[in-house]
Amino acid sequence: KNQVEQSPQSLIILEGKNCTLQCNYTVSPFSNLRWYKQDTGRGPVSLTIMTFSENTKSNGRYTATLDADTKQSSLHITASQLSDSASYICVVSRHSGGGADGLTFGKGTHLIIQP
Amino acid sequence: DSGVTQTPKHLITATGQRVTLRCSPRSGDLSVYWYQQSLDQGLQFLIQYYNGEERAKGNILERFSAQQFPDLHSELNLSSLELGDSALYFCASSPSPGGAGELFFGEGSRLTVL
Repeated sequence: KNQVEQSPQSLIILEGKNCTLQCNYTVSPFSNLRWYKQDTGRGPVSLTIMTFSENTKSNGRYTATLDADTKQSSLHITASQLSDSASYICVVSRHSGGGADGLTFGKGTHLIIQP
Repeated sequence: DSGVTQTPKHLITATGQRVTLRCSPRSGDLSVYWYQQSLDQGLQFLIQYYNGEERAKGNILERFSAQQFPDLHSELNLSSLELGDSALYFCASSPSPGGAGELFFGEGSRLTVL
């Protein structure tokens, strides 16, 4: 069964600190992995998309890593800011030959940055 | 701003009623996707249309239906509403028919069923 598991479920850190969010998946055959940021009550916004051959991808203070062998990804946030408070969703795409039914969404990590 | 427009932003209605949610995709995008997000739950895929044709179907209830019009906007119809249908409904668009490309999400329509 294609699954995406994210940990921790929620996380509270102080402003300025770093944190790392985890994503483990069993989706096969793998196409790509995305990280989205979703502010409360808003639509998800893409942070990174990584294919099989990419190990690391950065977007400002966000750095995603991918280990396709162990089927794990992480999202590292550096020097956190209050605006980083959001849910971070890991989405894995498989080669389905079809459409959006090839996407498997994680339930997200709810991150709270405290001043 | 993702370029995807959803209306209405908020909707309050009663059980048993029917509502229609509307989505205008980004200019040039042919694919439209609908997702449901209940409180503290992940995004659940409902249905996808590509250039007017149904492309993929997820966990969409029989009480729900959707269509994509020639101008590429899409509507999600929810009927015989139940309390459990209260959720955020997101529309996303992409230029390709497959789900491998990047999705651009709208701001959602918040449905409250009383």
